[in-house]
Amino acid sequence: DAGITQSPRHKVTETGTPVTLRCHQTENHRYMYWYRQDPGHGLRLIHYSYGVKDTDKGEVSDGYSVSRSKTEDFLLTLESATSSQTSVYFCAISESRSGEQYFGPGTRLTVT
Amino acid sequence: SQQGEEDPQALSIQEGENATMNCSYKTSINNLQWYRQNSGRGLVHLILIRSNEREKHSGRLRVTLDTSKKSSSLLITASRAADTASYFCATEGAYNTDKLIFGTGTRLQVFP
Repeated sequence: DAGITQSPRHKVTETGTPVTLRCHQTENHRYMYWYRQDPGHGLRLIHYSYGVKDTDKGEVSDGYSVSRSKTEDFLLTLESATSSQTSVYFCAISESRSGEQYFGPGTRLTVT
Repeated sequence: SQQGEEDPQALSIQEGENATMNCSYKTSINNLQWYRQNSGRGLVHLILIRSNEREKHSGRLRVTLDTSKKSSSLLITASRAADTASYFCATEGAYNTDKLIFGTGTRLQVFP
């Protein structure tokens, strides 16, 4: 988890409310990723960034948006949280396009 | 959709035994990576093998790759209780770069 923090680590919110998760890195890596992890599905990519203000969709992007205004921060926003977005969210960083990824400690989000 | 599928889903062994996990994938790849996840933690990168490599070693880990069968195996020799974790393969597609597709994982339990 060195060099990557996620906040908050735990959050409980109500259906319909907006939620923003933050990923912060101190490694100056170009690539940043948001995944969700659910039982039976492994990790699924939500969105990723290949540079400041450069982002693209992943496998399960519906209902999520992202922003990256600085190299070190990658924000994931749920505009209107739904119960299906209850999950554990992981941020990851990578120095190169095809290289190994380093993961943050995760955020456990519960939508009631 | 999952690119990689691990087999078995769960594996229980005694300390000192070897553990073998397999990963099958569907499309051509640039590289395949293995990660470990301890309960409640983020993923940790173990090893990366490129499509033109057949075998790699790292300490007690041995990874093989058979691109003709679209499969990889991870062997952990002389397992320890501390190896108890979930293990995931992840592939970077040959035509879908910039991101990894993760499998659903193998849960390994090593009994002392």
